[in-house]
Amino acid sequence: ILNVEQSPQSLHVQEGDSTNFTCSFPSSNFYALHWYRWETAKSPEALFVMTLNGDEKKKGRISATLNTKEGYSYLYIKGSQPEDSATYLCAFIGYSGNTPLVFGKGTRLSVIA
Amino acid sequence: DSGVTQTPKHLITATGQRVTLRCSPRSGDLSVYWYQQSLDQGLQFLIQYYNGEERAKGNILERFSAQQFPDLHSELNLSSLELGDSALYFCASSVTAREAEQYFGPGTRLTVT
Repeated sequence: ILNVEQSPQSLHVQEGDSTNFTCSFPSSNFYALHWYRWETAKSPEALFVMTLNGDEKKKGRISATLNTKEGYSYLYIKGSQPEDSATYLCAFIGYSGNTPLVFGKGTRLSVIA
Repeated sequence: DSGVTQTPKHLITATGQRVTLRCSPRSGDLSVYWYQQSLDQGLQFLIQYYNGEERAKGNILERFSAQQFPDLHSELNLSSLELGDSALYFCASSVTAREAEQYFGPGTRLTVT
């Protein structure tokens, strides 16, 4: 059974703080990693698709890094704003088999104004 | 708006009944995925179709079935409903079968009473 772990489970930060959280996944059999942002009462929205070891992707104040050899990815948010409050999900795709994304349980971020 | 539509938005039905959830993918997307999100659970992958063919199966119960039609819309059929089937059911679509980012619909909230 594939295990995709995200930490911390939840996080409260002050507006303007920078923050980061972790996604851990199996280091063998890696194919791709996705990050999604899920706001309350909405549906998940894709942030990044990462495929290569050492990948760094950026979208505005949000960036992500990928280490496939050790099986982790970090998501960073610089200067958090209240509108960044959401659950951030990572999802792993392995090389073998036909199983698509395996999602972690997410990190719930609350940014306090 | 992701371009993925799901109907109905809400569904309330009794135990033992059968329901059909419908999903229309984004224009040009060949892959459709179904996910279930229950209370306190992450997104659980149910099944994937690619261009009309079943591509991958997750922990989908035998009471559940799905299909993708020639126009690429998909239906998820849930039968002999139990209280535990109450959940938010998401459909997502992507261009390809594996690594492409997924676009999620707004979800169907199913309540079994």
